[in-house]
Amino acid sequence: EDQVTQSPEALRLQEGESSSLNCSYTVSGLRGLFWYRQDPGKGPEFLFTLYSAGEEKEKERLKATLTKKESFLHITAPKPEDSATYLCAVQRYSGYALNFGKGTSLLVTP
Amino acid sequence: ETGVTQTPRHLVMGMTNKKSLKCEQHLGHNAMYWYKQSAKKPLELMFVYSLEERVENNSVPSRFSPECPNSSHLFLHLHTLQPEDSALYLCASSHLGGGGDGYTFGSGTRLTVV
Repeated sequence: EDQVTQSPEALRLQEGESSSLNCSYTVSGLRGLFWYRQDPGKGPEFLFTLYSAGEEKEKERLKATLTKKESFLHITAPKPEDSATYLCAVQRYSGYALNFGKGTSLLVTP
Repeated sequence: ETGVTQTPRHLVMGMTNKKSLKCEQHLGHNAMYWYKQSAKKPLELMFVYSLEERVENNSVPSRFSPECPNSSHLFLHLHTLQPEDSALYLCASSHLGGGGDGYTFGSGTRLTVV
């Protein structure tokens, strides 16, 4: 059975204080690992897909990396507007579903 | 607004009511999904439709009944729900296989069962 564990559950940062969110996973036949951002009262918004160990993708202040066991979402010099819940999900080759972790709730204060 | 539209945004229903949630996508995708999001829990996949055929049903109680009349529309029919069914119900769509841009989610329907 797939397992996706995100840590920490919650993270509070000062504006400009860089940090990383972790997503550990166990899946049989990884097709892709996905990162989403979710704001309160809204659906998840796609950020990145990573397919193989060693892959990295960047978007503004966010950078996602992937190893065979975990993925990191690095946030460089965050701003208050980066406050949201960040969700990690995995997809198998053999299925349609995205299996999600519980998410990390990020608060960036001015 | 995203390419996936869900209505209504909020719904309060009694345990004996029947209601339906609607989802519409304008992205040309051919797979659609219902997810349930409860507090402190991961998103739970409920149903998957691929080319209008149901391909996954994750042990969802029969009081939830999905319908996919075409590749752009998805419904979730609700009847005799329980208070523990209160949650955010999210619709998503993707190309078959779901790779690349992943899934596109709607904003959800916040359901409260009283």
